[in-house]
Amino acid sequence: KAGVTQTPRYLIKTRGQQVTLSCSPISGHRSVSWYQQTPGQGLQFLFEYFSETQRNKGNFPGRFSGRQFSNSRSEMNVSTLELGDSALYLCASSLTVAKNIQYFGAGTRLSVL
Amino acid sequence: GIQVEQSPPDLILQEGANSTLRCNFSDSVNNLQWFHQNPWGQLINLFYIPSGTKQNGRLSATTVATERYSLLYISSSQTTDSGVYFCAVVRSTDKLIFGTGTRLQVFP
Repeated sequence: KAGVTQTPRYLIKTRGQQVTLSCSPISGHRSVSWYQQTPGQGLQFLFEYFSETQRNKGNFPGRFSGRQFSNSRSEMNVSTLELGDSALYLCASSLTVAKNIQYFGAGTRLSVL
Repeated sequence: GIQVEQSPPDLILQEGANSTLRCNFSDSVNNLQWFHQNPWGQLINLFYIPSGTKQNGRLSATTVATERYSLLYISSSQTTDSGVYFCAVVRSTDKLIFGTGTRLQVFP
C-alpha cells in the first residue's frame, strides 16, 4: 500500500507570490492534517480535514488555507508569501480522526526569497 | 495548552551504546506517538503508545499515563539511528502537539 505522497518535494518562490501544496493520503484514510516545521517554532499544527470539512485549525493567519477533495486528497495554499513562510510542510493521514495513528509524508520544503 | 517537553535535547553516542529518551507532558492525553525524523525530513512512525509498553526490535517504549511521561529506549545504537526523535500527543482537539525533539548522533 502506498504511503502518504506530497508534491512537490521542493519549491522556491519569491515574496508576494502564492503557492499550492498537494497531499495524497494512504488509500482508505479520510483524515488529512497539515503541519509546518521551522527551526524557530518547531512542528506546528496548521489544519485538519475530514470528509472534505475542516475540523480543526491552528493559530496561523488567513493567508494559509486548505481544502480536501472527495477522494480525500488535500491541498494547502499560502497566499502573499513572506520570508517567514520558508519551512518544511508536512502532511499526515489517518484512518478516521486524528486520535488514530497519523502517518506522515516526506514533506514539501518551501523556500521564500 | 498542554506542554510537551523532551530530554535530553542532544545526545551523542558511539555505535553499540544504549540510550533513553524522555517525554513529559503536562496534562492527560488520548494518544501519544514517537517519531524519528530522518535527515531528509520525513517523520517515521516508531510507536503509537498512549499507555503501556511496546517493543519493536532494538527499540522499545513505555508510557506511564498517570504520571504523564513516556520513555523511548534504543539499544545497541547504529549510525542509521541518527536523527531527531519527537514525541507527540493528542489531547481533546485531535491535533498532534509535538515536543521539541531530541537530536541523536551516533558515531561509528
